[in-house]
Amino acid sequence: KNEVEQSPQNLTAQEGEFITINCSYSVGISALHWLQQHPGGGIVSLFMLSSGKKKHGRLIATINIQEKHSSLHITASHPRDSAVYICAARSPNTDKLIFGTGTRLQVFP
Amino acid sequence: EAGVAQSPRYKIIEKRQSVAFWCNPISGHATLYWYQQILGQGPKLLIQFQNNGVVDDSQLPKDRFSAERLKGVDSTLKIQPAKLEDSAVYLCASSLSFGQGNFGGYTFGSGTRLTVV
Repeated sequence: KNEVEQSPQNLTAQEGEFITINCSYSVGISALHWLQQHPGGGIVSLFMLSSGKKKHGRLIATINIQEKHSSLHITASHPRDSAVYICAARSPNTDKLIFGTGTRLQVFP
Repeated sequence: EAGVAQSPRYKIIEKRQSVAFWCNPISGHATLYWYQQILGQGPKLLIQFQNNGVVDDSQLPKDRFSAERLKGVDSTLKIQPAKLEDSAVYLCASSLSFGQGNFGGYTFGSGTRLTVV
């Protein structure tokens, strides 16, 4: 079993839909990262959470430390949101990231 | 601020050849990471440096992979000889010094896409 699990693996949506991507982890963390990766591109950091909730534009990230679960929400999705979204657990000892396998999101007009 | 610089962006080599990747982290970032991302998978840590010392290289295939960060700034990752299964994107990232409760400054480069044929 992977230390960081994401669901779903693939997600398609119509423009305007509300999207949720889930992440569960089984390791101790200092923080949980949500990252975005476009095809052929590098990785962009969206959020870093150690508790509660953060919002940036149409993106919202939440974390429940007791349940070891985090969610990334996209409101009013747009085709430009199409990308792979990855959650990663940050080690409290070394700061290394343990990545989930990613969720491939496609938003159609 | 300038981002994490990596080169080359793309590389195609034949199996058993050697290849080297270069990374220049954000200025002032003491910690540097090399990750390997195989198609369809999440990145996996190969090696982590703190300044010019190795923090974690437990996942680095040391029979063929080597990395150095001699002056504690830029770093080179080498594969010799390459195998087909080394085809992947190699990502470099940097952060402020770890272990001091600093949660900021984790930045990725654009990656080097390696194809071994």
